[in-house]
Amino acid sequence: GNSVTQMEGPVTLSEEAFLTINCTYTATGYPSLFWYVQYPGEGLQLLLKATKADDKGSNKGFEATYRKETTSFHLEKGSVQVSDSAVYFCALSVRGYQKVTFGTGTKLQVIP
Amino acid sequence: ETGVTQTPRHLVMGMTNKKSLKCEQHLGHNAMYWYKQSAKKPLELMFVYSLEERVENNSVPSRFSPECPNSSHLFLHLHTLQPEDSALYLCASSQVGTGLTGELFFGEGSRLTVL
Repeated sequence: GNSVTQMEGPVTLSEEAFLTINCTYTATGYPSLFWYVQYPGEGLQLLLKATKADDKGSNKGFEATYRKETTSFHLEKGSVQVSDSAVYFCALSVRGYQKVTFGTGTKLQVIP
Repeated sequence: ETGVTQTPRHLVMGMTNKKSLKCEQHLGHNAMYWYKQSAKKPLELMFVYSLEERVENNSVPSRFSPECPNSSHLFLHLHTLQPEDSALYLCASSQVGTGLTGELFFGEGSRLTVL
């Protein structure tokens, strides 16, 4: 079956620090990969996605590269802000299927 | 209204009550979902509707009863719930089909507290 493993949180960083949240996956078929973000009191929203090997998804200064050889999709940002404090979920879906498989989420807290 | 809208945002109910959660999507999608998000637990997929037919039901207790009257509306009927059912219930929609990536669009959730 499909699964997503992401690093345990919480992650606490100072403002302007470099962020990496690790994500690895197993999948039957050829998955699309996603990062979702959940701000306090809100639902999840799509942050970025990549649909094939070596694709790089990017949005709001965040980036993640689809690495088929290492089955990874690590999230990075060069300089985090307090407003980036949220829970980040790595996820995958296999083309044409309805089900999206989520990781357990990583809470990020950025302090001034 | 745009995106996915859930009502009510907050709900408190006793174990003998009957209530419903409502979800409406304005994106023209063909699939809708209910997820349960509990503290310190992974996001749990409860039900999937595709083209108004239920295609997945992940061993959810019968005290949760979904209804999808059309492609834009989804309900979750609740009755005789337990305190451990207290959670954030998230509705989502997506466009699924051959060649599509099927990313989800979520509502803001309904926070349920069972006393």
